[in-house]
Amino acid sequence: GDSVTQMEGPVTLSEEAFLTINCTYTATGYPSLFWYVQYPGEGLQLLLKATKADDKGSNKGFEATYRKETTSFHLEKGSVQVSDSAVYFCALSDPGGSYIPTFGRGTSLIVHP
Amino acid sequence: GAGVSQSPSNKVTEKGKDVELRCDPISGHTALYWYRQSLGQGLEFLIYFQGNSAPDKSGLPSDRFSAERTGGSVSTLTIQRTQQEDSAVYLCASSPRESGSQGYTFGSGTRLTVV
Repeated sequence: GDSVTQMEGPVTLSEEAFLTINCTYTATGYPSLFWYVQYPGEGLQLLLKATKADDKGSNKGFEATYRKETTSFHLEKGSVQVSDSAVYFCALSDPGGSYIPTFGRGTSLIVHP
Repeated sequence: GAGVSQSPSNKVTEKGKDVELRCDPISGHTALYWYRQSLGQGLEFLIYFQGNSAPDKSGLPSDRFSAERTGGSVSTLTIQRTQQEDSAVYLCASSPRESGSQGYTFGSGTRLTVV
């Protein structure tokens, strides 16, 4: 079955540091890949997505590139801010397998001033 | 509506009582999903609707849990005889079609506390 594995947190950084949150996946078909962000007390919000190999999704300074050869979709940001503190979820949707979106366990990011 | 709406936002109930959680998806979204998020945990899939039918109920934790969707729109998740381990945030999401390639829109969730 489909699965998503992301690095365990919490990830603790100082403001303006470089961020990487690793995400790898297994899928039956050719999935679409997503990063979602959950701020405290809120639901999940779509941060960025990529639907085919080598596509780069980007939003709010965050980027992730769909790497089919390494089955990865790592999230990066060049300079994090305190306001980026949240939980980040990697996810996939696999039309070739189940229509149920598969989420990773989430990675908590804490950014200190 | 503009987004996915869930109600109530918070629910405190006594052990053994029944509760109903409501999800109002984005108009026109045919696919609807229920997830459960326990404190500090990831997302646990519960059930998925395509239109009014539920092709996959495999995630429902027990027969105390049931869900329905009417008119291809509003969905209700019912938990009977609630237990303390049912305490969690229940999240609903919808998408324009079941392929999900456009992503999923989540509601803000219902925080259920069973005392």
